[in-house]
Amino acid sequence: AQTVTQSQPEMSVQEAETVTLSCTYDTSESDYYLFWYKQPPSRQMILVIRQEAYKQQNATENRFSVNFQKAAKSFSLKISDSQLGDAAMYFCALDSNTGKLIFGQGTTLQVKP
Amino acid sequence: EPEVTQTPSHQVTQMGQEVILRCVPISNHLYFYWYRQILGQKVEFLVSFYNNEISEKSEIFDDQFSVERPDGSNFTLKIRSTKLEDSAMYFCASSEAAQGSTDTQYFGPGTRLTVL
Repeated sequence: AQTVTQSQPEMSVQEAETVTLSCTYDTSESDYYLFWYKQPPSRQMILVIRQEAYKQQNATENRFSVNFQKAAKSFSLKISDSQLGDAAMYFCALDSNTGKLIFGQGTTLQVKP
Repeated sequence: EPEVTQTPSHQVTQMGQEVILRCVPISNHLYFYWYRQILGQKVEFLVSFYNNEISEKSEIFDDQFSVERPDGSNFTLKIRSTKLEDSAMYFCASSEAAQGSTDTQYFGPGTRLTVL
């Protein structure tokens, strides 16, 4: 069975600081993809970043980067220079080449001015 | 930038009524999906659709649910006889990937379904 676990229901960060959101997963597949999605209060799901399991290099997108530890099945998201607009629910998701995304429970990020 | 659109944004219905949720995927995408999110819970996969047929469905997607691509642009989710527990946010998503690979799924803004 494939599972995704986000153990931090809530996190907070001071504006301009850095925060890391944790995610662990489990899959028996060797080829898979991991994603972080952001869900602001509007509840739209917005893609933040994507990582292919076969790539050793950690993905980065501007202020967002991941720490992908394949052996540990860990996929954390680092947000640098946090902005007020980063406040949202963040979901980690796994796709083991099935096209079906398995989501974690989500982490609510609060950004304090 | 192309995006997935969904209508309506909010649907209120009486228990036992049929509802149809509509989605327009990104035009060159081949795979289509429906997910739901009950308030305060995680997003759950319902169904995937490719080449005019269901590729995979979850145990949530029972006989009360059906999907259809009635024309070249729309992708619909029908709930035949709604229950109170169907109240949720329903997300449509699409991806470009051909079968056997994975591509990023892009989500629509969601339809909030309220069953009274």
